[in-house]
Parts: sequence; structure tokens; C-alpha cells
Amino acid sequence: NAGVTQTPKFQVLKTGQSMTLQCAQDMNHNSMYWYRQDPGMGLRLIYYSASEGTTDKGEVPNGYNVSRLNKREFSLRLESAAPSQTSVYFCASSGGLPHNQPQHFGDGTRLSIL
Amino acid sequence: RKEVEQDPGPFNVPEGATVAFNCTYSNSASQSFFWYRQDCRKEPKLLMSVYSSGNEDGRFTAQLNRASQYISLLIRDSKLSDSATYLCVVSADRGSTLGRLYFGRGTQLTVWP
Repeated sequence: NAGVTQTPKFQVLKTGQSMTLQCAQDMNHNSMYWYRQDPGMGLRLIYYSASEGTTDKGEVPNGYNVSRLNKREFSLRLESAAPSQTSVYFCASSGGLPHNQPQHFGDGTRLSIL
Repeated sequence: RKEVEQDPGPFNVPEGATVAFNCTYSNSASQSFFWYRQDCRKEPKLLMSVYSSGNEDGRFTAQLNRASQYISLLIRDSKLSDSATYLCVVSADRGSTLGRLYFGRGTQLTVWP
């Protein structure tokens, strides 16, 4: 089982460039999430989608946009990359409400912005 | 106040030792609780859910104290492979944050031979 698949795994960008991080899950989960993880900061929620057709801001949404393309796919876009967005990005999915089920993570995208 | 607070450690213990991690949470309405482990430069993985009555999975025991808003994880007979960061995770169960989970910053464990 693939679970949660993220692409790309690594990316280097120049300041001001744009890119889209892709995430797909094959577990028929309703909810999907994007996090970033920086040293000493723990996981911080960027955006999430509780169900297909809805998206909501998390703790650190500035500089990002998301699209819930269908039930399987949830993409994260950086319109104009900044060095402060250098981080490891994790996508996750869960069965969602009403039981607040655990989240399953992809193996991450390591993004460096020069 | 942070939603989830954990002692960051590090905890350095010899093989075979028993070690306990604690975590406190601020939202009394939270209904779901989990422990995750995260290896260096890897994704977080679910270790176990935490139930009100306490639960055990092999060498791992999790307990919940709702009155004190406190969660614990006990690891018995530590193995080298237990070396990782352990994340305490609590659900958000009110208003606009329904469906979210809050992650602690993690407690780092190193088991030495």
C-alpha cells in the first residue's frame, strides 16, 4: 500500500520562484493536511482540508495556497518562495470527523530556498 | 499557552532501562490522544492511541489522566531501536478547529548499549 505519496522529495528554489508540492493518498480518507517542520519548532499546520471541497488555514498559512483537487489529492503552492520557507514539508491524511482519527504522513519534501 | 507541552529531553538511557515521558494539554474538550514516534529526518509514525482506561502494546504503556489533562508513555526494557523523538498528540474538539490534531514538539530519546 502506498499510503500518502508526496512529490518531489527534494527541491531547491531561488527566491521568488514558484512551485507546487503534490500529495496523494489512496486510503479513501476524507481529511488532508499540510505541515512544515523546522528544527526546534515541531510540526506546524499550514492548511488543511476537512473534506473534499473545503480548505482552512492552519497556524502558518501566509505565503502558501492549497487546492483540494479531489478526494485523493491535496496540493500546496508557494507563489513567490522566500528563504524563510526553507523547511521539511509533510502531507498527512486521516479518516477525519467525527472520530478524530490518527493522521498518516507522507515521507516529506525537503525544500531549500536560496 | 501551547496546546500540548512536552519535556524536550534529551533522555539518554541504557538498554534495558525503563523510561517515561509526560505531556500536558490545555483543551479540556479534547477526545482523542496519540503517541507518535519520529526518527531523524523521517516522517512521524503512529505509535499508539491513548485510551481513557490506559492501554498497553508490548513494551509500551500509555495512560491518560483527564482530570489533570496529562498523558504519559512508559517504555520498558528499552532497545537501541527505540531511539527516536516521541510526539504527544491531542485532538482539537471545538468550533472551527474540529478535525485538527495538535502535536507537541517531541521528547528525544537515545538508548545506548
